[in-house]
Amino acid sequence: HLVLTQSPSASASLGDSVNVTCTLSSGHSSQAIAWHQQKPQKGPRYLMKVNNDGRHTKGDGVPDRFSGSASGADHYLTISGLQSEDEADYYCQTWGRDFYVFGPGTTVTVL
Amino acid sequence: QVQLQESGPGLVKPSQTLSLTCTVSGGSISSGSYYWSWIRQPAGKGLEWIGRIYTSGSTNYNPSLKSRVTISVDTSKNQFSLKLSSVTAADTAVYYCARLKNSSGYYYVRYWGQGTLVTVSS
Repeated sequence: HLVLTQSPSASASLGDSVNVTCTLSSGHSSQAIAWHQQKPQKGPRYLMKVNNDGRHTKGDGVPDRFSGSASGADHYLTISGLQSEDEADYYCQTWGRDFYVFGPGTTVTVL
Repeated sequence: QVQLQESGPGLVKPSQTLSLTCTVSGGSISSGSYYWSWIRQPAGKGLEWIGRIYTSGSTNYNPSLKSRVTISVDTSKNQFSLKLSSVTAADTAVYYCARLKNSSGYYYVRYWGQGTLVTVSS
């Protein structure tokens, strides 16, 4: 049973870095995932797809300060040089042959 | 660049059928190797995948909703649609349409619509 786990919240000061973690359930560590950003009262926006080897494919116009990586069952979204406009919910998402799973989301707060 | 726009009634009565349409612009819905999908989000909660359709008409649905969901495509109008029957208050949510992109035979959410709020209430 494929499940994604995320911490409910993460925070960092303006200009610092913050990591958002997404963990795949046991037996699914080879899965690729996608990261989506959702700002308050807005629809989600695709940020990037991250393979299990850490290679990632970003969406149009996604700033360089957003990067993705992976280690085993853990996938990481790193925001470097945190900006106020990065305050948002971040969802990881993965897929099987004919189904899709979303993580519960992580709220990133800029201190 | 592809754009997706949801449309449909914002208020549906309990036990009735929710019907939404997603209009695709910036490209033909029938070109390329894409799936088209519906996803919803209740207020203050996370995202739930509803189902997807290929341009051939092949569909897959979330097992928890499968008995009530129908997704169809109208290539002549460059649209795809969602019908959810026997709705209750639990179906109140923002509904998003999305385009899925192929990656080595698997498809992931690549483009999102803006979303439309549907409230189920008498």
